[in-house]
Amino acid sequence: DAGVTQSPTHLIKTRGQHVTLRCSPISGHKSVSWYQQVLGQGPQFIFQYYEKEERGRGNFPDRFSARQFPNYSSELNVNALLLGDSALYLCASSLEGADTQYFGPGTRLTVL
Amino acid sequence: QKEVEQNSGPLSVPEGAIASLNCTYSDRGSQSFFWYRQYSGKSPELIMSIYSNGDKEDGRFTAQLNKASQYVSLLIRDSQPSDSATYLCAVNILGGSYIPTFGRGTSLIVHP
Repeated sequence: DAGVTQSPTHLIKTRGQHVTLRCSPISGHKSVSWYQQVLGQGPQFIFQYYEKEERGRGNFPDRFSARQFPNYSSELNVNALLLGDSALYLCASSLEGADTQYFGPGTRLTVL
Repeated sequence: QKEVEQNSGPLSVPEGAIASLNCTYSDRGSQSFFWYRQYSGKSPELIMSIYSNGDKEDGRFTAQLNKASQYVSLLIRDSQPSDSATYLCAVNILGGSYIPTFGRGTSLIVHP
C-alpha cells in the first residue's frame, strides 16, 4: 500500500507570495494533520481535518488555511509568505479513532 | 501549555552500545506516547508507541514509560551507525483530537 504522499517535494517562493501544498493520506485513513518543522525543532501542529471538518488548529496566523476534500486528500495554503515560513511542511494521516500518525515525505519550502 | 522536553544532544555512543534517549512531559492527562526516528532531510518515521507503565520491547528497541514521574525513554540495544538520526518524542492526550505534541528531538550519533 502507498504511504502518505505530498507534493511538491521542494518549493522556492519569494516574500509576499502564496503557496499551496498538497497531501494524499494512506488509503482508508480519513484524518489528515499538517505540521511545520523548522530546523532543529520538532514538528509544530498547524491543522487537523477529519471528514472535511477542521478538528484542531495550532497557534499559527490566519495566513495559514487548509481544507480536506471528499477523497480525504488535503491542501495547506499559506498567504503573504514571510522568510520565517521557510520550513519542512509535513502531512500525517491516521485511521478514524486512532492516535498513531504516519507522516508523508514532506514539502521543503524556502522563502527568499 | 503542553510541553515535551528532550535533550537536543548530540548523544554519541560507540557501535554496539546501548543508547538511552529520554523525554519528559508536563501534562498529567497524557495517555499515549510515541517515538519517531528522523533522518536528516527526511520525515519522521514511527518506531513505537506505548500506553501503559513499564517496558515495551520491539526488536532492538525498548520504550519505557513512568507516568508518575512523567517520563518516557527509548533504549536502543546494539546500536548501529545506521541508527544515527534524530529521535522525536511525541505525547498525546486521549479523548481529544489525537493531536500529539512533539519534543525538539535528540540527535544520536553512533560511531564505529
